[in-house]
Amino acid sequence: SQKIEQNSEALNIQEGKTATLTCNYTNYSPAYLQWYRQDPGRGPVFLLLIRENEKEKRKERLKVTFDTTLKQSLFHITASQPADSATYLCALDIYNYGQNFVFGPGTRLSVLP
Amino acid sequence: DGGITQSPKYLFRKEGQNVTLSCEQNLNHDAMYWYRQDPGQGLRLIYYSQIVNDFQKGDIAEGYSVSREKKESFPLTVTSAQKNPTAFYLCASSTQINTEAFFGQGTRLTVV
Repeated sequence: SQKIEQNSEALNIQEGKTATLTCNYTNYSPAYLQWYRQDPGRGPVFLLLIRENEKEKRKERLKVTFDTTLKQSLFHITASQPADSATYLCALDIYNYGQNFVFGPGTRLSVLP
Repeated sequence: DGGITQSPKYLFRKEGQNVTLSCEQNLNHDAMYWYRQDPGQGLRLIYYSQIVNDFQKGDIAEGYSVSREKKESFPLTVTSAQKNPTAFYLCASSTQINTEAFFGQGTRLTVV
């Protein structure tokens, strides 16, 4: 069956460290993958998109990698800050299956001062 | 300011009643989506529309209905047939299918 998993429901790290979040999928062949940030009670906000032919994408303190062989994306936040605390969602393009995005369950990140 | 607006933010409904959630965007986006989010779960697709007067069912369309009479508007009706309607509902839009999505602030529906 098709599945998207994100590492541990919650992740706690110390301020200043690098947070690494994982998105794994099975039985999909996405053309690209997106990462969103969601704060409590609010809609998700787009962060980064990476295409299947791109290995890595960066934006300020954020870095995303995409390994289509491993069927995995890693999302890194360097020099993390308490303001980075939020839930992070990955989303796959599954247009080939007649739909569009499918979202992972999210990882709740807490950056401790 | 361009954006996507959902209303109301909080909605209470009695069992057996239909209720309509509003979603309006002024981003000139062709594609619009409705998702449902339950605690500890990801977003699940209810309906999506790529163009005016056309829409497709998502994974959990049963008990819901939509219309797309105008490009800017994509209202969602939660009918009495929806067995467990209490949830956080999110509307989104994008320039076309499979580009970044812009989300509204959500409507929290509670059935009382």
